[in-house]
Amino acid sequence: DSGVTQTPKHLITATGQRVTLRCSPRSGDLSVYWYQQSLDQGLQFLIQYYNGEERAKGNILERFSAQQFPDLHSELNLSSLELGDSALYFCASSVRGTVAQDTQYFGPGTRLTVL
Amino acid sequence: AQKITQTQPGMFVQEKEAVTLDCTYDTSDPSYGLFWYKQPSSGEMIFLIYQGSYDQQNATEGRYSLNFQKARKSANLVISASQLGDSAMYFCAMREEGNYGNNRLAFGKGNQVVVIP
Repeated sequence: DSGVTQTPKHLITATGQRVTLRCSPRSGDLSVYWYQQSLDQGLQFLIQYYNGEERAKGNILERFSAQQFPDLHSELNLSSLELGDSALYFCASSVRGTVAQDTQYFGPGTRLTVL
Repeated sequence: AQKITQTQPGMFVQEKEAVTLDCTYDTSDPSYGLFWYKQPSSGEMIFLIYQGSYDQQNATEGRYSLNFQKARKSANLVISASQLGDSAMYFCAMREEGNYGNNRLAFGKGNQVVVIP
């Protein structure tokens, strides 16, 4: 158990819908990251937050947005869902997120299926 | 451009034997970190080992060790005394120091390992 929690574990929805994925980082970690894992794209970095502020953006679609709240939990919002958004979405956290050796610990993931 | 390359096909390894998983990387940043993660069939990503670009010695964590060859830009994972529970996908990842505060990880495609009794 990494100490990072994600809910829900599974999510099945229809095209055009909107969903929210939730993540609670390990106690004491200030940085939260979101990654998407799909069969064709592999593991892709989406976005990083540090202590409530956006720190880095990766291959995140405009239909996707995220935020980190004062209690440091984070939410990833996916809207106007398409079939291709079906993937495993991971949240990870690290202590600081500003140094090379800062290890990211991953949550169990949310498996999103868009029908 | 692909930053992390893992090209080995799926591997079968006998229980109690050692297995080496190849990883090559591409960066012009002098400061970077290399990570290995394990993803069993249940899906979670488990951190295994870390190697810093300035570390003088190869990293070790229990049965995991990293064969770090900086000049060749390779960071191969060695799993000694394989166990059935080692059957999983293994991912190599890199974090470049680069921009301040940017801690994104770039992942390879993974190496599939199946341990047979």
